[in-house]
Amino acid sequence: DGGITQSPKYLFRKEGQNVTLSCEQNLNHDAMYWYRQDPGQGLRLIYYSQIVNDFQKGDIAEGYSVSREKKESFPLTVTSAQKNPTAFYLCASSIRPAISSGANVLTFGAGSRLTVL
Amino acid sequence: GIQVEQSPPDLILQEGANSTLRCNFSDSVNNLQWFHQNPWGQLINLFYIPSGTKQNGRLSATTVATERYSLLYISSSQTTDSGVYFCAVKADGFQGGSEKLVFGKGMKLTVNP
Repeated sequence: DGGITQSPKYLFRKEGQNVTLSCEQNLNHDAMYWYRQDPGQGLRLIYYSQIVNDFQKGDIAEGYSVSREKKESFPLTVTSAQKNPTAFYLCASSIRPAISSGANVLTFGAGSRLTVL
Repeated sequence: GIQVEQSPPDLILQEGANSTLRCNFSDSVNNLQWFHQNPWGQLINLFYIPSGTKQNGRLSATTVATERYSLLYISSSQTTDSGVYFCAVKADGFQGGSEKLVFGKGMKLTVNP
């Protein structure tokens, strides 16, 4: 079945450590996204990528980094510079970017929950 | 930027009841999506509905773009409908696609057996 796989599902990190969250999709979607969700809040966009080897900052990119070396993969690194990294992280994809149509429907992975100890 | 308000913030129902969730937005939109997040965190897209009405089984949605709101109807609710429902919109007049979506804070639905 096609979908998005995020790993790990749960992750604990000590302060000062970088961690990388994996996101892999087999939907052949061009666009991929990383969102952060805090309790009682909506989703906020961290980074997005419309094509391989290109990505753009979202609304809350500070303290995060990404890469898009393959169409299927869009890993997110939470760096030690992120002041409050404890959150639920969601990866998503859509068929095509940069247009408003049904091709922009978001498909989400199951999420990764990061806790800083 | 565009503001998105969802109401009610919380709703508790008995199984079999009907419900209406509302999403108000402050500007005209050309992309509106409804999502359901289950208790384990998985988000599923329910509808892409920048205007008009769509139905999918017990769920239907209507967006009245000129009046800047969208409604999600759940009929004959089941315990599996529990979770958080999000509305996300993209303001018209901006280039781009779903990277420009602004999410509401969500509405928590609890369906009791």
